Amino acid sequence: EAQVTQNPRYLITVTGKKLTVTCSQNMNHEYMSWYRQDPGLGLRQIYYSMNVEVTDKGDVPEGYKVSRKEKRNFPLILESPSPNQTSLYFCASRRGGVTGELFFGEGSRLTVL
Amino acid sequence: AQTVTQSQPEMSVQEAETVTLSCTYDTSESDYYLFWYKQPPSRQMILVIRQEAYKQQNATENRFSVNFQKAAKSFSLKISDSQLGDAAMYFCAYYSGAGSYQLTFGKGTKLSVIP
Repeated sequence: EAQVTQNPRYLITVTGKKLTVTCSQNMNHEYMSWYRQDPGLGLRQIYYSMNVEVTDKGDVPEGYKVSRKEKRNFPLILESPSPNQTSLYFCASRRGGVTGELFFGEGSRLTVL
Repeated sequence: AQTVTQSQPEMSVQEAETVTLSCTYDTSESDYYLFWYKQPPSRQMILVIRQEAYKQQNATENRFSVNFQKAAKSFSLKISDSQLGDAAMYFCAYYSGAGSYQLTFGKGTKLSVIP
């Protein structure tokens, strides 16, 4: 089954404790992206990757890191989480250069205390 | 930068009735794509419908259709014969055919369906 898989789905952590949200897709998509969703703000892009070893900032990259060492994986790293990073996070992928339709993971609810 | 505006934070509709969700966008490009995504309480993002800007014909998918007005930069979603399962957040999104590689979302409209 074609899918984007995120882990963990739910996480409660404390300020400053490094965490990684993993994202994996099995569709051989070139493009992958991370979004955060906050009430009243919709989805905002954090980082995206056009292909392996190619990443770029989205609209809200502060406090986040990403890496793209393999085509299928695109982890999101919070080196020192803060309460304002409490949010719902989505990973998404698509084939490069086509119509723009994104395939989304199921979301990761992160709470930073 | 492109912007997408959904002016209705919340809407409601009676079951079996028709409802229209509004979306406007700002762009200087001529080649782009527009989408409506549905997010039910499960949080999954589900593609409802897609419209290519170069196509004059409005897209339809079963009970879902759009009214695409390119000159007015308007892209509304019409849901006919509303069902309880249509209750969700709906997001309008814009994608440029060239350069930005970003899917830009509106802030969403929460649709409630009244039995």
